[in-house]
Amino acid sequence: GQNIDQPTEMTATEGAIVQINCTYQTSGFNGLFWYQQHAGEAPTFLSYNVLDGLEEKGRFSSFLSRSKGYSYLLLKELQMKDSASYLCAVSLPRGRDDKIIFGKGTRLHILP
Amino acid sequence: DSGVTQTPKHLITATGQRVTLRCSPRSGDLSVYWYQQSLDQGLQFLIQYYNGEERAKGNILERFSAQQFPDLHSELNLSSLELGDSALYFCASSTSGSPYNEQFFGPGTRLTVL
Repeated sequence: GQNIDQPTEMTATEGAIVQINCTYQTSGFNGLFWYQQHAGEAPTFLSYNVLDGLEEKGRFSSFLSRSKGYSYLLLKELQMKDSASYLCAVSLPRGRDDKIIFGKGTRLHILP
Repeated sequence: DSGVTQTPKHLITATGQRVTLRCSPRSGDLSVYWYQQSLDQGLQFLIQYYNGEERAKGNILERFSAQQFPDLHSELNLSSLELGDSALYFCASSTSGSPYNEQFFGPGTRLTVL
């Protein structure tokens, strides 16, 4: 089967750094997405990793290790508006069912 | 504002009924994706259309069907509705049919089945 695991909830302080982990076990792998979703709103794209390594985009960075089935999203200089759910999703090769599988999301709470 | 529109925003109906959800992709995007999001299941990929043709299929029930029209808007039809179909339904669009492209999500349709 296909499985994506991420912590259900995390709490961090404004101005700090937080790392949200995601592990996956899937039959095939094209790449891994991270999305941000504020309560009651649509998901918005943050990053897409295909190759191993770290990709930095402003305050957000995403890391992938394909051999370990592991990714993390790193958020720096946390702001109150970063309070949201963060969804990890794996894109599967064509021909597989469930072309894109999402984890259940990590709800991040930012404290002042 | 992602540029993807969905109608209606809210829909309340009864078990056994049939509803149609509508999605207009961003200008120039050829792919449309449909997702279901419920509290216990998270975001579930249902189906993808690219330039009018079905491209990929996920966890879509047989009671559900979708199509993409020549003007690239898409409709998701849900029939014989059950209480468990109550969820937020998102449509997303992307420029191509490739899974590598960023998807832009619409605001969603909240379906409540009573």
